[in-house]
Amino acid sequence: NAGVTQTPKFQVLKTGQSMTLQCAQDMNHEYMSWYRQDPGMGLRLIHYSVGAGITDQGEVPNGYNVSRSTTEDFPLRLLSAAPSQTSVYFCASWGTSDNEQFFGPGTRLTVL
Amino acid sequence: RKEVEQDPGPFNVPEGATVAFNCTYSNSASQSFFWYRQDCRKEPKLLMSVYSSGNEDGRFTAQLNRASQYISLLIRDSKLSDSATYLCVVNAMDSSYKLIFGSGTRLLVRP
Repeated sequence: NAGVTQTPKFQVLKTGQSMTLQCAQDMNHEYMSWYRQDPGMGLRLIHYSVGAGITDQGEVPNGYNVSRSTTEDFPLRLLSAAPSQTSVYFCASWGTSDNEQFFGPGTRLTVL
Repeated sequence: RKEVEQDPGPFNVPEGATVAFNCTYSNSASQSFFWYRQDCRKEPKLLMSVYSSGNEDGRFTAQLNRASQYISLLIRDSKLSDSATYLCVVNAMDSSYKLIFGSGTRLLVRP
């Protein structure tokens, strides 16, 4: 199993550009989530999903959209990138059997 | 007040030392508690869940004090490989699906 995969690993955008961060998991987990991590801060929840077709907002959802058309994939879309969105983005998934969240390796995004 | 607060450290200890981290949380209704470990520029990984009665995993012991709303992590016989940031994690007030992460406590174990 590959676990949780994220692409790209690194990305540089200009202000106003849009892009999609990809996240996929092969563990058949029902739940998936997106976090951002800024220096000196903990991970902050952006959006999460409790199953295909069901998503909800986390702590910092503004400027981001998500969809969950399949169990495996949970892409995060930046609609119009801003310098404040410069961060490391982590995707995570977990199942109902326990509460352990498995994280992807992260995407390091810089917005100029 | 932050929902989950941790001392950022760093804690700089020699190999073999015992070190303890504390974490306080604001939501008295929280039911799920965890310690995650994060190495530099890597993703967080679950170290251990924290149960009401306290639990131990090798050199690591986690305790929960619901009355005072804090969680602790004790590391005995520190190894160089224990150097990392330790994240305290609690489920959010409005949903068990949402986890709130502390900003982490950095541990440096020196030879």
